[in-house]
Amino acid sequence: AQSVTQLDSQVPVFEEAPVELRCNYSSSVSVYLFWYVQYPNQGLQLLLKYLSGSTLVKGINGFEAEFNKSQTSFHLRKPSVHISDTAEYFCAVIRSNDYKLSFGAGTTVTVRA
Amino acid sequence: EAQVTQNPRYLITVTGKKLTVTCSQNMNHEYMSWYRQDPGLGLRQIYYSMNVEVTDKGDVPEGYKVSRKEKRNFPLILESPSPNQTSLYFCASRQGLETQYFGPGTRLLVL
Repeated sequence: AQSVTQLDSQVPVFEEAPVELRCNYSSSVSVYLFWYVQYPNQGLQLLLKYLSGSTLVKGINGFEAEFNKSQTSFHLRKPSVHISDTAEYFCAVIRSNDYKLSFGAGTTVTVRA
Repeated sequence: EAQVTQNPRYLITVTGKKLTVTCSQNMNHEYMSWYRQDPGLGLRQIYYSMNVEVTDKGDVPEGYKVSRKEKRNFPLILESPSPNQTSLYFCASRQGLETQYFGPGTRLLVL
């Protein structure tokens, strides 16, 4: 069994402030980890992914995430957000046994001036 | 241009009237899947396919069918739509662990 939990459904944040979006997973097999972003009225696009190697991964638009195997977490961070970062963010995992991709429920980030 | 296309983009139908949403990708990807997106529930996988003639149920398969007769196409079939299938649907494709590409979405309203 596998589940992806995004601990915050809504995150309001002021422009130029830092933001962290939390993601935890549970799985009986090893997983690969992803963050996707969905801007208003658009489809999803990949922000970053962790497959192996360094546990700190950098993605597009200044985002980064850190894989913590002991805590089964993959939190997403950005040190200074812009209005244009207002979007819904989805954490996702791929199981290593069947390559099935599953998503968390999403975190809506609203950036205010 | 690498892309996943879905048709139609918007559809209003009535309960019980069979419908098909088409999905096509031009990247020769082996893996294709269908998701539905509902407020507060994120994206839930309906069905996925690891290759031609290989399909499997996702998390919410009830009321849906799929087929994968060709590598590029993965249609989603609602034999008898019901109002609880009103949702935003996304088709996606990828190759192994590479980036998953999403279609633009199909917004379905079942009256």
